[in-house]
Amino acid sequence: DAGITQSPRHKVTETGTPVTLRCHQTENHRYMYWYRQDPGHGLRLIHYSYGVKDTDKGEVSDGYSVSRSKTEDFLLTLESATSSQTSVYFCAISESVGQGSGKYEQFFGPGTRLTVL
Amino acid sequence: AQSVTQLDSQVPVFEEAPVELRCNYSSSVSVYLFWYVQYPNQGLQLLLKYLSGSTLVKGINGFEAEFNKSQTSFHLRKPSVHISDTAEYFCAVSDHQGAQKLVFGQGTRLTINP
Repeated sequence: DAGITQSPRHKVTETGTPVTLRCHQTENHRYMYWYRQDPGHGLRLIHYSYGVKDTDKGEVSDGYSVSRSKTEDFLLTLESATSSQTSVYFCAISESVGQGSGKYEQFFGPGTRLTVL
Repeated sequence: AQSVTQLDSQVPVFEEAPVELRCNYSSSVSVYLFWYVQYPNQGLQLLLKYLSGSTLVKGINGFEAEFNKSQTSFHLRKPSVHISDTAEYFCAVSDHQGAQKLVFGQGTRLTINP
């Protein structure tokens, strides 16, 4: 357990509504990530953050935005949800493997199951 | 950019039999390699990783994997599986730069039959 929580854990919403998912970490990690998991696709990176107010796009960023105003929280927003965004969303952090090694390993939160009707 | 191919979407085996889950990757730069396991209705748990050094890496629950640079493979093995190993397994790769973003394979569903 890398001290990662996600909220909500489950959400059902309607097409066209805004949705915000929250990822919270307690161990002051610099890097945070949002992935989505879909059958047959594994996990795909949506956005990531390398510090407060520092974010960048991943492989499947269209339709999503993120914000990180404090180290511990990384928010994922769907401005206008669509049925294609029905998925399980995972937050992750990177933790250093050995001080100064430049090597990291990622740990994942419990996930948020989002259904867009 | 990297890509990962898991060659089998489903692998059924009998309990106490050996198993190998295959993973091939593509990259123009040096990579780190990972296997994650996802039990039903749970999140992802790191099973093992190759970062450097010995190409044979051992992980939790009796799993091991071998990094083969010439064949660009990182196959996962266990000599004797248990019912509790039933799960989905994901191979992932990252480069050595900055954010070390993970690229995942499609996953392999391992089913253990009694």
